[in-house]
Amino acid sequence: DAGVTQSPTHLIKTRGQHVTLRCSPISGHKSVSWYQQVLGQGPQFIFQYYEKEERGRGNFPDRFSARQFPNYSSELNVNALLLGDSALYLCASSPEGGYYEQYFGPGTRLTVT
Amino acid sequence: QKEVEQNSGPLSVPEGAIASLNCTYSDRGSQSFFWYRQYSGKSPELIMFIYSNGDKEDGRFTAQLNKASQYVSLLIRDSQPSDSATYLCAVNKRSNYQLIWGAGTKLIIKP
Repeated sequence: DAGVTQSPTHLIKTRGQHVTLRCSPISGHKSVSWYQQVLGQGPQFIFQYYEKEERGRGNFPDRFSARQFPNYSSELNVNALLLGDSALYLCASSPEGGYYEQYFGPGTRLTVT
Repeated sequence: QKEVEQNSGPLSVPEGAIASLNCTYSDRGSQSFFWYRQYSGKSPELIMFIYSNGDKEDGRFTAQLNKASQYVSLLIRDSQPSDSATYLCAVNKRSNYQLIWGAGTKLIIKP
Protein backbone atom coordinates (compact mmCIF):
# COMPACT_ATOMS: atom_id res chain seq x y z
CA ASP A 1 0.00 0.00 0.00
CA ALA A 2 1.19 3.50 -0.77
CA GLY A 3 2.14 5.65 2.18
CA VAL A 4 1.44 9.32 2.66
CA THR A 5 2.44 11.35 -0.38
CA GLN A 6 3.26 15.05 -0.49
CA SER A 7 3.96 17.47 -3.30
CA PRO A 8 6.07 19.24 -4.19
CA THR A 9 9.23 17.85 -2.60
CA HIS A 10 11.08 21.14 -2.65
CA LEU A 11 9.93 24.69 -3.24
CA ILE A 12 11.64 28.06 -3.39
CA LYS A 13 9.50 31.17 -3.00
CA THR A 14 10.05 34.88 -2.52
CA ARG A 15 8.85 36.90 0.47
CA GLY A 16 5.26 38.01 0.06
CA GLN A 17 4.29 35.20 -2.27
CA HIS A 18 1.71 32.50 -1.65
CA VAL A 19 2.29 28.75 -1.54
CA THR A 20 0.06 25.66 -1.68
CA LEU A 21 1.29 22.31 -0.38
CA ARG A 22 -0.56 19.07 -1.08
CA CYS A 23 -0.96 15.80 0.77
CA SER A 24 -2.63 12.47 0.07
CA PRO A 25 -3.19 10.24 3.11
CA ILE A 26 -2.81 6.49 3.37
CA SER A 27 -5.75 4.74 1.75
CA GLY A 28 -8.54 4.34 4.29
CA HIS A 29 -7.25 7.06 6.61
CA LYS A 30 -9.71 9.86 7.26
CA SER A 31 -7.58 12.35 9.17
CA VAL A 32 -4.73 14.57 8.06
CA SER A 33 -2.50 16.74 10.23
CA TRP A 34 0.01 19.38 9.17
CA TYR A 35 3.24 20.23 10.98
CA GLN A 36 6.10 22.66 10.53
CA GLN A 37 9.59 21.56 11.48
CA VAL A 38 12.64 23.79 11.63
CA LEU A 39 16.15 22.42 12.00
CA GLY A 40 16.96 21.12 15.46
CA GLN A 41 13.40 21.20 16.75
CA GLY A 42 10.49 18.84 16.95
CA PRO A 43 7.52 19.36 14.61
CA GLN A 44 5.06 22.12 15.50
CA PHE A 45 1.36 21.37 15.05
CA ILE A 46 -0.47 23.55 12.53
CA PHE A 47 -3.82 21.86 11.79
CA GLN A 48 -5.70 18.61 12.07
CA TYR A 49 -8.63 17.72 9.78
CA TYR A 50 -11.00 14.81 10.15
CA GLU A 51 -13.82 14.06 7.74
CA LYS A 52 -13.27 17.48 6.12
CA GLU A 53 -13.75 19.34 9.39
CA GLU A 54 -11.02 21.20 11.26
CA ARG A 55 -10.37 19.31 14.50
CA GLY A 56 -7.54 21.37 15.88
CA ARG A 57 -5.42 24.39 15.18
CA GLY A 58 -1.98 25.23 16.53
CA ASN A 59 -0.49 28.59 17.36
CA PHE A 60 0.07 29.85 13.80
CA PRO A 61 -1.07 33.14 12.24
CA ASP A 62 -4.09 33.43 9.98
CA ARG A 63 -1.75 33.45 6.98
CA PHE A 64 -1.85 29.67 7.36
CA SER A 65 -4.98 27.88 6.21
CA ALA A 66 -5.89 24.38 5.16
CA ARG A 67 -8.71 22.26 3.90
CA GLN A 68 -9.54 18.62 3.37
CA PHE A 69 -11.31 17.30 0.30
CA PRO A 70 -13.97 14.54 -0.02
CA ASN A 71 -11.25 12.05 -1.00
CA TYR A 72 -9.44 12.98 2.29
CA SER A 73 -6.51 14.64 0.55
CA SER A 74 -5.52 18.01 1.93
CA GLU A 75 -3.96 21.34 1.04
CA LEU A 76 -2.00 23.72 3.24
CA ASN A 77 -1.93 27.32 2.08
CA VAL A 78 0.43 30.00 3.34
CA ASN A 79 -0.04 33.62 2.30
CA ALA A 80 2.35 36.57 2.46
CA LEU A 81 5.38 34.37 2.98
CA LEU A 82 8.03 35.47 5.46
CA LEU A 83 11.66 34.36 5.69
CA GLY A 84 10.74 32.60 8.94
CA ASP A 85 8.33 30.32 7.09
CA SER A 86 11.29 28.44 5.66
CA ALA A 87 10.98 24.94 7.07
CA LEU A 88 10.08 21.33 6.39
CA TYR A 89 6.31 20.98 6.16
CA LEU A 90 5.06 17.59 7.17
CA CYS A 91 1.73 15.95 6.53
CA ALA A 92 0.61 13.00 8.65
CA SER A 93 -2.37 10.72 8.21
CA SER A 94 -4.26 8.82 10.85
CA PRO A 95 -7.06 6.27 10.69
CA GLU A 96 -9.55 8.28 12.73
CA GLY A 97 -7.84 11.40 13.99
CA GLY A 98 -7.89 12.31 17.63
CA TYR A 99 -5.52 10.24 19.76
CA TYR A 100 -4.54 7.67 17.14
CA GLU A 101 -1.05 7.13 15.76
CA GLN A 102 0.04 9.30 12.84
CA TYR A 103 2.12 8.34 9.82
CA PHE A 104 4.19 10.97 8.07
CA GLY A 105 4.82 11.73 4.44
CA PRO A 106 8.27 12.69 3.13
CA GLY A 107 7.63 16.39 3.65
CA THR A 108 7.95 19.51 1.53
CA ARG A 109 11.06 21.60 2.02
CA LEU A 110 10.07 25.27 1.64
CA THR A 111 12.72 27.94 1.26
CA VAL A 112 11.67 31.59 1.32
CA THR A 113 14.20 34.10 -0.04
CA GLN B 1 8.75 24.32 31.57
CA LYS B 2 8.38 22.70 28.18
CA GLU B 3 5.34 20.48 27.69
CA VAL B 4 7.46 17.56 26.49
CA GLU B 5 11.10 17.34 27.46
CA GLN B 6 13.90 15.16 26.19
CA ASN B 7 17.63 15.18 26.73
CA SER B 8 19.07 16.51 23.47
CA GLY B 9 22.14 14.26 23.66
CA PRO B 10 24.04 13.10 21.83
CA LEU B 11 23.70 9.75 23.54
CA SER B 12 26.53 7.44 22.52
CA VAL B 13 26.01 3.68 22.90
CA PRO B 14 28.27 0.79 21.81
CA GLU B 15 26.94 -1.54 19.14
CA GLY B 16 25.04 -4.44 20.69
CA ALA B 17 24.26 -2.60 23.93
CA ILE B 18 20.89 -1.30 25.17
CA ALA B 19 20.03 2.31 24.37
CA SER B 20 17.67 4.00 26.83
CA LEU B 21 15.80 7.16 25.79
CA ASN B 22 13.63 9.15 28.17
CA CYS B 23 10.85 11.71 27.88
CA THR B 24 8.79 13.62 30.46
CA TYR B 25 5.52 15.46 29.86
CA SER B 26 3.51 18.02 31.78
CA ASP B 27 -0.16 17.38 30.86
CA ARG B 28 -1.51 14.73 33.28
CA GLY B 29 -4.52 14.18 31.02
CA SER B 30 -2.44 13.04 28.04
CA GLN B 31 -3.67 9.72 26.70
CA SER B 32 -1.42 8.67 23.82
CA PHE B 33 2.35 8.52 23.64
CA PHE B 34 4.52 7.99 20.61
CA TRP B 35 8.15 7.43 19.70
CA TYR B 36 9.37 8.45 16.26
CA ARG B 37 12.77 8.01 14.64
CA GLN B 38 14.06 10.71 12.31
CA TYR B 39 17.12 10.43 10.10
CA SER B 40 18.79 13.65 9.02
CA GLY B 41 16.84 15.31 6.21
CA LYS B 42 14.00 12.78 6.41
CA SER B 43 10.52 12.81 7.93
CA PRO B 44 9.68 11.15 11.28
CA GLU B 45 9.00 7.40 11.22
CA LEU B 46 6.68 5.87 13.83
CA ILE B 47 8.52 3.34 16.02
CA MET B 48 6.16 2.67 18.91
CA PHE B 49 2.96 3.93 20.47
CA ILE B 50 1.63 3.20 23.93
CA TYR B 51 -1.62 4.11 25.64
CA SER B 52 -1.56 2.19 28.95
CA ASN B 53 0.81 2.11 31.91
CA GLY B 54 3.48 -0.55 31.71
CA ASP B 55 5.66 -1.98 28.97
CA LYS B 56 4.98 -2.63 25.31
CA GLU B 57 7.46 -4.65 23.26
CA ASP B 58 7.93 -4.81 19.50
CA GLY B 59 11.01 -6.63 18.29
CA ARG B 60 14.11 -4.89 19.65
CA PHE B 61 12.05 -1.95 20.91
CA THR B 62 10.28 -1.59 24.27
CA ALA B 63 8.21 1.43 25.25
CA GLN B 64 7.57 2.06 28.94
CA LEU B 65 4.88 4.38 30.29
CA ASN B 66 4.46 5.65 33.85
CA LYS B 67 1.55 8.08 34.01
CA ALA B 68 1.93 8.73 37.74
CA SER B 69 5.48 9.98 37.19
CA GLN B 70 4.65 11.45 33.78
CA TYR B 71 7.42 9.84 31.86
CA VAL B 72 7.72 7.56 28.88
CA SER B 73 10.86 5.77 27.77
CA LEU B 74 12.13 3.77 24.81
CA LEU B 75 14.60 0.92 25.10
CA ILE B 76 16.47 -0.35 22.07
CA ARG B 77 18.10 -3.74 22.58
CA ASP B 78 21.04 -5.02 20.53
CA SER B 79 21.68 -1.52 19.16
CA GLN B 80 22.84 -1.36 15.54
CA PRO B 81 24.67 1.46 13.70
CA SER B 82 21.49 1.88 11.61
CA ASP B 83 19.68 2.92 14.82
CA SER B 84 21.76 6.12 14.85
CA ALA B 85 19.17 8.88 14.42
CA THR B 86 17.21 11.47 16.36
CA TYR B 87 14.41 9.98 18.45
CA LEU B 88 11.36 12.16 19.00
CA CYS B 89 8.83 11.73 21.77
CA ALA B 90 5.27 12.97 21.07
CA VAL B 91 2.31 13.23 23.41
CA ASN B 92 -1.34 13.86 22.61
CA LYS B 93 -2.69 17.05 24.15
CA ARG B 94 -6.00 16.32 25.78
CA SER B 95 -7.72 19.56 24.82
CA ASN B 96 -7.48 19.66 21.04
CA TYR B 97 -5.95 16.37 19.81
CA GLN B 98 -2.67 17.93 18.75
CA LEU B 99 0.61 16.11 19.18
CA ILE B 100 3.14 17.94 21.32
CA TRP B 101 6.72 17.06 20.51
CA GLY B 102 9.98 17.02 22.34
CA ALA B 103 13.04 18.43 20.57
CA GLY B 104 14.47 14.93 20.19
CA THR B 105 17.46 12.96 21.45
CA LYS B 106 20.31 12.30 19.06
CA LEU B 107 21.45 8.68 19.38
CA ILE B 108 24.81 7.52 18.09
CA ILE B 109 25.60 3.80 17.95
CA LYS B 110 29.35 3.22 17.82
CA PRO B 111 30.58 0.10 15.97
